[in-house]
Amino acid sequence: DAKTTQPPSMDCAEGRAANLPCNHSTISGNEYVYWYRQIHSQGPQYIIHGLKNNETNEMASLIITEDRKSSTLILPHATLRDTAVYYCIVRVTGTASKLTFGTGTRLQVTL
Amino acid sequence: SAVISQKPSRDICQRGTSLTIQCQVDSQVTMMFWYRQQPGQSLTLIATANQGSEATYESGFVIDKFPISRPNLTFSTLTVSNMSPEDSSIYLCSVDSGEKLFFGSGTQLSVL
Repeated sequence: DAKTTQPPSMDCAEGRAANLPCNHSTISGNEYVYWYRQIHSQGPQYIIHGLKNNETNEMASLIITEDRKSSTLILPHATLRDTAVYYCIVRVTGTASKLTFGTGTRLQVTL
Repeated sequence: SAVISQKPSRDICQRGTSLTIQCQVDSQVTMMFWYRQQPGQSLTLIATANQGSEATYESGFVIDKFPISRPNLTFSTLTVSNMSPEDSSIYLCSVDSGEKLFFGSGTQLSVL
């Protein structure tokens, strides 16, 4: 699995959009970009994933650059409950392959 | 989605003893994964457990220390053997639904 690079920490004001960047410059053509988050030592929670098109669900939006070397997770209206460590992971899906976690970004949402 | 029940949620153990962690899934899954998260660190994969075969361990993890059972498609156990304080971590099981991986809530282990 390709490696990812994320900033170690970010702050965001409650109600504002949180934009979390991820670099995955060595991603392969069949690898998807996944985002998970972990709130205070609970099990990681799936957020969203995509291959090359932008994706949106009830939790977030995922913007993948055209060359697929980087992506941004967008939480449109961050709340205090979004304070967590966010992990960007690349993985080949459909092959029951493992997730390899990097160090993630610790997002702190403040009043 | 898959619902994963992991037990115990936390335990405090004496050094030299062993603890078995259980992971129950509400649907049949081929692959299950066991992760360790040391204090303040990210998740590290211990092993992959495939039903009907021996678990595959990652570098730095051995079967004698972390034996794994996978008796059927909905259940797995991880044993932390001959524990030392360095084994104090959160242990998590994970299952693959094909597109997404889902995680249990974890077992917080403290070894005195």
